[in-house]
Amino acid sequence: DVKVTQSSRYLVKRTGEKVFLECVQDMDHENMFWYRQDPGLGLRLIYFSYDVKMKEKGDIPEGYSVSREKKERFSLILESASTNQTSMYLCASSFSGMGNTEAFFGQGTRLTVV
Amino acid sequence: AQSVTQLDSQVPVFEEAPVELRCNYSSSVSVYLFWYVQYPNQGLQLLLKYLSGSTLVKGINGFEAEFNKSQTSFHLRKPSVHISDTAEYFCAVSDQDNNNDMRFGAGTRLTVKP
Repeated sequence: DVKVTQSSRYLVKRTGEKVFLECVQDMDHENMFWYRQDPGLGLRLIYFSYDVKMKEKGDIPEGYSVSREKKERFSLILESASTNQTSMYLCASSFSGMGNTEAFFGQGTRLTVV
Repeated sequence: AQSVTQLDSQVPVFEEAPVELRCNYSSSVSVYLFWYVQYPNQGLQLLLKYLSGSTLVKGINGFEAEFNKSQTSFHLRKPSVHISDTAEYFCAVSDQDNNNDMRFGAGTRLTVKP
């Protein structure tokens, strides 16, 4: 079974803290994604990585950065957490080539910034 | 970048009635299309996918979707719904010309009433 593992299910942080969300996949996928899920807005792409050290901004990158030093690990960083970053964060991975590019998701991290 | 529009944010239906959840996308020529389902308090699960070939795609739990290239649509259908189909449904498009960058719609909440 493909497994995408996010380091925390629930996280509570204070405003202004630097926050790290970690994601690891075990399927040797080239692509990894960070999405943010909010009611009525669906899944919005924050950042996308198609290879080690490669990244592309998604639709809402402001206030976030990412790191991909190894193929299996993709980290999302909130440089200075704010209350409007309270949300559910979903990590996903997929193949990048032709063919089956289904994305596999982690269980999510519910982040609350107080 | 590609975008996805799910035309209905909420769809209430009675049990055993047919249902159609609508999805339109704007993108480059080469795309893969997906429907995911999220049951209450659970992660995202793939319902079905269109990669190539027949435009009518069958998925799990009796769902099917039709790819219409000229209308850039990928509507999801089920001829007879059950209470257990109550969930949020997300349409997604993957751009083959950009390493399969994947974007999602805002979601449609399907509520099946007895």
